[in-house]
Amino acid sequence: QKEVEQNSGPLSVPEGAIASLNCTYSDRGSQSFFWYRQYSGKSPELIMFIYSNGDKEDGRFTAQLNKASQYVSLLIRDSQPSDSATYLCAVSQAGTALIFGKGTTLSVSS
Amino acid sequence: EAQVTQNPRYLITVTGKKLTVTCSQNMNHEYMSWYRQDPGLGLRQIYYSMNVEVTDKGDVPEGYKVSRKEKRNFPLILESPSPNQTSLYFCASSLSWTGTEQYFGPGTRLTVT
Repeated sequence: QKEVEQNSGPLSVPEGAIASLNCTYSDRGSQSFFWYRQYSGKSPELIMFIYSNGDKEDGRFTAQLNKASQYVSLLIRDSQPSDSATYLCAVSQAGTALIFGKGTTLSVSS
Repeated sequence: EAQVTQNPRYLITVTGKKLTVTCSQNMNHEYMSWYRQDPGLGLRQIYYSMNVEVTDKGDVPEGYKVSRKEKRNFPLILESPSPNQTSLYFCASSLSWTGTEQYFGPGTRLTVT
């Protein structure tokens, strides 16, 4: 059973801090990793993807992938109240569709 | 504009009354999928389609039907809705069925009384 695990939270951080969201996956053959942001009642929106070990930066967001340890993380620098949402980790192995984690709720307080 | 559309966005219906939720994408994507999302349970896949006339069950297919007669459309059919199908439904599509990101429609909030 392929699984993607996330701490449900809520993760609470003050405005301006770094939020760190983590995701672990069970299948060592996983090759593609995605982070989605979902506001309450809205559809998931892709914010980052990463395929290779290491860091990938896009504005205030950094995705980190460690295939040996089977985890992927998302860092949000200078967190803003508008970043308050649920963040979904999604993982795909070659030959499979995306498997989604249940999400981590982030709350950024002003 | 590249997008996935769903209709209706909101629907209140009664037990047993057949309904269809439409999904259409304009990105020429091969893969399309239906999810339901309930509090605490995350996204659960109902059915998916890897191409025209190719569909398969996801994790929670009971009570649902789908068809894929055209590449752009992937309707979700509830032949006899029940209250436990009250949920938020999302259609999604991706360029291929593996390894690529999925794009989501805006969602359909269904209430079955």
